[in-house]
Amino acid sequence: GAVVSQHPSWVICKSGTSVKIECRSLDFQATTMFWYRQFPKQSLMLMATSNEGSKATYEQGVEKDKFLINHASLTLSTLTVTSAHPEDSSFYICSAEGYSLSGANVLTFGAGSRLTVL
Amino acid sequence: GENVEQHPSTLSVQEGDSAVIKCTYSDSASNYFPWYKQELGKRPQLIIDIRSNVGEKKDQRIAVTLNKTAKHFSLHITETQPEDSAVYFCAASSGSYKLIFGSGTRLLVRP
Repeated sequence: GAVVSQHPSWVICKSGTSVKIECRSLDFQATTMFWYRQFPKQSLMLMATSNEGSKATYEQGVEKDKFLINHASLTLSTLTVTSAHPEDSSFYICSAEGYSLSGANVLTFGAGSRLTVL
Repeated sequence: GENVEQHPSTLSVQEGDSAVIKCTYSDSASNYFPWYKQELGKRPQLIIDIRSNVGEKKDQRIAVTLNKTAKHFSLHITETQPEDSAVYFCAASSGSYKLIFGSGTRLLVRP
């Protein structure tokens, strides 16, 4: 139980284009979604926190107009990297917090999306 | 905000030996401390966690200790095996699953 499906697993795009990454909770309701970015051989850096139906809260240094987060339902959150540039190339991972069918508080990570901007 | 420091950055041990990774945190309100194992290009996998009301927790070859006064916690892996080779991250949070991660430790277990 408590599965998060993240797509795409990898994407290559041209500089200046926008890319959307989706995270879906398959068998539980994700009340909170956390988005992380991980550069090669580095740690997971928290970008933003979003609660269903509310605006995301961004960490210091993360541009909210560049990294658009939508969490319109309890099963879907999206991260859109707008006007992507090569320096945005990274591994983006979501983690979803919610309650399973048994009522347990769970946290589950998506499989990650590797973005390469040419 | 919370800051988590982790060391060593790399650790090489002989198969069968023990490995210890240490983390310190800055926010005294933090009360949840998980450890994750991440293989290249994969999602982090929770291997063990501890909450602030407990000083030690063990699960087979893996154990975690927490010293709230000193604000540090450690991961102990005994009888290491080559498949334990990976990057390990500690993390801390207070009240929710908003995790702040340490910088990671690359563990290599030599056969």
